[in-house]
Amino acid sequence: NAGVTQTPKFQVLKTGQSMTLQCAQDMNHEYMSWYRQDPGMGLRLIHYSVGAGITDQGEVPNGYNVSRSTTEDFPLRLLSAAPSQTSVYFCASRGWGQETQYFGPGTRLLVL
Amino acid sequence: GQSLEQPSEVTAVEGAIVQINCTYQTSGFYGLSWYQQHDGGAPTFLSYNALDGLEETGRFSSFLSRSDSYGYLLLQELQMKDSASYFCAVSQGFQKLVFGTGTRLLVSP
Repeated sequence: NAGVTQTPKFQVLKTGQSMTLQCAQDMNHEYMSWYRQDPGMGLRLIHYSVGAGITDQGEVPNGYNVSRSTTEDFPLRLLSAAPSQTSVYFCASRGWGQETQYFGPGTRLLVL
Repeated sequence: GQSLEQPSEVTAVEGAIVQINCTYQTSGFYGLSWYQQHDGGAPTFLSYNALDGLEETGRFSSFLSRSDSYGYLLLQELQMKDSASYFCAVSQGFQKLVFGTGTRLLVSP
């Protein structure tokens, strides 16, 4: 199993550009989440999903969209990037009834 | 809403024991988890407490008191490789996991 994979690893954007951060898992997990991590702020939940076709907002959803068309994939879209979205983004997944949440390696995003 | 409080930094020497505390305020509490993150890496799961009491996994133990909204992670026989950030996280309604701001542990020789 590859676990949770994320692409790209690094990305530089200009203000106003759009992009999609990809996340995929091959563990057939129902739950998937996106977090952003900033220095001194810990991990903050952006959006999460409890299954295909079902998504909900986390703590900091503004400026981000998600969709879950399949169990495996959970992309995060930035419609119009802003410097405040410079961060490290982690995707995670967890199976039904399981305690362990598995994280992807992260995407480091810089918005100029 | 929810909030989790943990110390920002803890220092200790090799071989020592260190305790990292976490207090929380949240609705729909299901359990308390702990994650470890080395610099530049992704968080990895350490332990989970749904009920009051102590859970032991090797050198690491985790404790929960639901009535006090309090938990801690206990690390014994510290090693240099234990230098990392440690996060407590609250499960809200099980599907939602919310993290604290993290505690940076520095282990010195």
